[in-house]
Amino acid sequence: AQKITQTQPGMFVQEKEAVTLDCTYDTSDPSYGLFWYKQPSSGEMIFLIYQGSYDQQNATEGRYSLNFQKARKSANLVISASQLGDSAMYFCAMSLGGGGATNKLIFGTGTLLAVQP
Amino acid sequence: DVKVTQSSRYLVKRTGEKVFLECVQDMDHENMFWYRQDPGLGLRLIYFSYDVKMKEKGDIPEGYSVSREKKERFSLILESASTNQTSMYLCASSPYYRPFTDTQYFGPGTRLTVL
Repeated sequence: AQKITQTQPGMFVQEKEAVTLDCTYDTSDPSYGLFWYKQPSSGEMIFLIYQGSYDQQNATEGRYSLNFQKARKSANLVISASQLGDSAMYFCAMSLGGGGATNKLIFGTGTLLAVQP
Repeated sequence: DVKVTQSSRYLVKRTGEKVFLECVQDMDHENMFWYRQDPGLGLRLIYFSYDVKMKEKGDIPEGYSVSREKKERFSLILESASTNQTSMYLCASSPYYRPFTDTQYFGPGTRLTVL
């Protein structure tokens, strides 16, 4: 069964330090996409970064990078130089390439990140 | 920028009431989705639509229905609200279908409380 697992319910990080948020996934489909979203206390889900299963390079978007280890089925999010505004809930999600007219996302349970000054 | 709006940020309803949650997107996206979010459970898909008047059940459709009469608008309907439908409801949209690569863009959410 397809599943996303985030084992860290909550984390602290000091401002300006790097932090890694863990995500493992389970699928037998060779075609899939992995997404990270940020949800601040306001509630809106903000798209951060995407990695496709056939992508050779790890995705990067500014201070965000995705550490994609296909053999281990992990897709960890790395935030460099943390800022106070990074305090939020972070969700890992997977999209499958199977049949159907649209992509459905499967979400993990999230990790609450608190950045300390 | 993609803009997805939801009709209410907070809503309080009574058990048994019929509840409408409205979602509008302004980017001409084909696909629209309704999720509910509960602590410790992440987001779970209720229904989605890939075209006007087309809909498909997600993982937890029981107790809900949807309507998509216009491309930009997707409504979630609770026919008879119950206390176990108290939750955060998130709407999302994505562009035309490209297998496993389309990014979904979310609205601000509606926090529904059923008393």
